[in-house]
Amino acid sequence: GAVVSQHPSWVICKSGTSVKIECRSLDFQATTMFWYRQFPKQSLMLMATSNEGSKATYEQGVEKDKFLINHASLTLSTLTVTSAHPEDSSFYICSARDLSRGDTGELFFGEGSRLTVL
Amino acid sequence: GQNIDQPTEMTATEGAIVQINCTYQTSGFNGLFWYQQHAGEAPTFLSYNVLDGLEEKGRFSSFLSRSKGYSYLLLKELQMKDSASYLCAVRDGDYKLSFGAGTTVTVRA
Repeated sequence: GAVVSQHPSWVICKSGTSVKIECRSLDFQATTMFWYRQFPKQSLMLMATSNEGSKATYEQGVEKDKFLINHASLTLSTLTVTSAHPEDSSFYICSARDLSRGDTGELFFGEGSRLTVL
Repeated sequence: GQNIDQPTEMTATEGAIVQINCTYQTSGFNGLFWYQQHAGEAPTFLSYNVLDGLEEKGRFSSFLSRSKGYSYLLLKELQMKDSASYLCAVRDGDYKLSFGAGTTVTVRA
């Protein structure tokens, strides 16, 4: 299947600092990528939809100034958690669709990034 | 918005069959998905239903009834490696996927 790569897999940072997470589609172009967050023993919650060349669309309750999303190319979207706090500690996962495969609707997920804010 | 319900946990023995039910209420519907997620890992795709009926893929089958807002995932010939969380997800017209809370399946020897 299509490959989505996410980096870093693990990150530990101090409270108040910013962390950038990268999501790359390795063998296909992704005009749209989705960012999810998952707290322990909970399901994935959609945070925002990242659109290449335009502003991201954020879900209700997600602060766009805190979670900055940039989708500068067809293969790369980044999520920056600004001024991170311990409550931002979570598993962040990106996903993308490979439209060249037709409408299977399948989302391909990155490996996820586990953020721990001390 | 989406409201997706599935059981929290299920336990079964190796070789058995497990059926995980999922009910949903959505403002728009454009497909239902099942994903498998092992602890600490990203979800992996299992199945996709957009029309009513049963889709079979090896040991896994998925069923959809759009009129009832109901789906199930059937796991046959359970193996230890099937112990994981199974996520029911519904796609809306904007291709956004909303996930249920997941069902943790534990397979015992």
